[in-house]
Amino acid sequence: DIQMTQSPSSLSASVGDRVTLTCRASQIITSYLNWYQQKPGKAPKLLIYAASTLQSGVPSRFSGSGSGTDFTLTISSLQPEDFATYYCQQSYSTPITFGQGTRLEIK
Amino acid sequence: EVQLVESGGGLGQPGGSLRLSCAASGFTFSSYAMSWVRQTPGKGLEWVSSITGSGGSTYYADPVMGRFTISRDNSKNTLYLQINTLRAEDTAVYYCAKGTGGGSSYYFDYWGQGSLVTVSS
Repeated sequence: DIQMTQSPSSLSASVGDRVTLTCRASQIITSYLNWYQQKPGKAPKLLIYAASTLQSGVPSRFSGSGSGTDFTLTISSLQPEDFATYYCQQSYSTPITFGQGTRLEIK
Repeated sequence: EVQLVESGGGLGQPGGSLRLSCAASGFTFSSYAMSWVRQTPGKGLEWVSSITGSGGSTYYADPVMGRFTISRDNSKNTLYLQINTLRAEDTAVYYCAKGTGGGSSYYFDYWGQGSLVTVSS
C-alpha cells in the first residue's frame, strides 16, 4: 500500500497568513494526488485534484503543486473559514489511501 | 444539486450485520463510480470499497474483504454497503462518496453527511 505522510500534523496560524501544508507519498504517484478540507462534524470537501487543479467553487487562495512523491497545498491568505483539517489522498493505485491530516488552528 | 444521503447506521453487536444505504440525487447515478469511506478518530479517513457505475466491478480494502459487500441499484439511485461479521474496529462514521476522474486520476467530488456505525455488545 502507498503510505501518505502529511506534515505538520498541526499548525497554528493567523488570519491573513500564507501557509503551506505538505504531503509525501511512499512511492511515486505522478500527479494522482487530491486535497480535501474537513470541518468538525462535516464531511470532507474536495479542494484540489490531480495535484494542482482547483475544484469548481473553491476560492483561488487555495493552490496545489507537486509531482512524484512530494506535494504541497498552499493557502495564500488565511480566512477565518479556512481553519479546518486538511487531508491528501492518492489514487495512483488501489487501495486508495489518505494522509493522516493536518489540523490548521487559529493562533 | 448533488445530494448523497446515508442511512442505516446505528449500534451493531460483534458478529452481527448492518446495511448502509446512500440515496443519490442531482446527477446521472449510473454514470459514476461510487465509494464508501470511513473515518475513525484513531485511523483518520480510510477507503473501504468502490463500485463502478454499472455495478459490474467492485473493489475492497483488505480489512473488509470477505465481510463487506458493496452494491447499487441504479433504478433507485441508491448505493449499499452490507456489513457482516461486525468487529469493534468497524466502529466509524461511514461516508458514501461520488467518484470522478479517469484512469488513475480518481477523486471524491461529493460526499454524504456520514452514518455512524458503532459496534458494541
